[in-house]
Amino acid sequence: AQTVTQSQPEMSVQEAETVTLSCTYDTSENNYYLFWYKQPPSRQMILVIRQEAYKQQNATENRFSVNFQKAAKSFSLKISDSQLGDTAMYFCAFMKQAGGGADGLTFGKGTHLIIQP
Amino acid sequence: NAGVMQNPRHLVRRRGQEARLRCSPMKGHSHVYWYRQLPEEGLKFMVYLQKENIIDESGMPKERFSAEFPKEGPSILRIQQVVRGDSAAYFCASSAGRKNIQYFGAGTRLSVL
Repeated sequence: AQTVTQSQPEMSVQEAETVTLSCTYDTSENNYYLFWYKQPPSRQMILVIRQEAYKQQNATENRFSVNFQKAAKSFSLKISDSQLGDTAMYFCAFMKQAGGGADGLTFGKGTHLIIQP
Repeated sequence: NAGVMQNPRHLVRRRGQEARLRCSPMKGHSHVYWYRQLPEEGLKFMVYLQKENIIDESGMPKERFSAEFPKEGPSILRIQQVVRGDSAAYFCASSAGRKNIQYFGAGTRLSVL
């Protein structure tokens, strides 16, 4: 079974600063996907970024980028030039790429990110 | 361009009643997933369905919970004889294929009195 750990329950930064959210995971799989989802106060789950484990290049989506360290089983999210609208819960998630077993996502407990004006 | 639609957004039930949660996937998606989120927790996978088939129900409680995704109409998560511990937010996600990106609905918040 896979586990996902987010060690920062809450973080707070000033608007326009850069912030990094940490995520580690445990798996015996070699091929898998990793995700960051955002859950604003509306509670809608929104995909922020996805990383395929076989790709060495870190995924980037505008102000969001990841630092994927496969050997260390680490998958951190960096948010540059943070904005008030980035305030939300951020969840790290894992999914096996292929084969049997659960097809669902395994989520961490989340990090509550607060962007201060 | 409708996303994943869940209804109702809020559902209040008394202990012992039945709860029915509905999920309409995104257009073109035939794969549906249900998750439960307890307070202060991340989402926990419950069940994965394709049209008319349950593919993976490894996260479903053994009793009182069932799910279906009929040929026509939305996917239904049914909870019989609800108890207070069933109070949670229930999220549905859909994807275009197995292992594809899952897109989430806004969730149904179930409160059991």
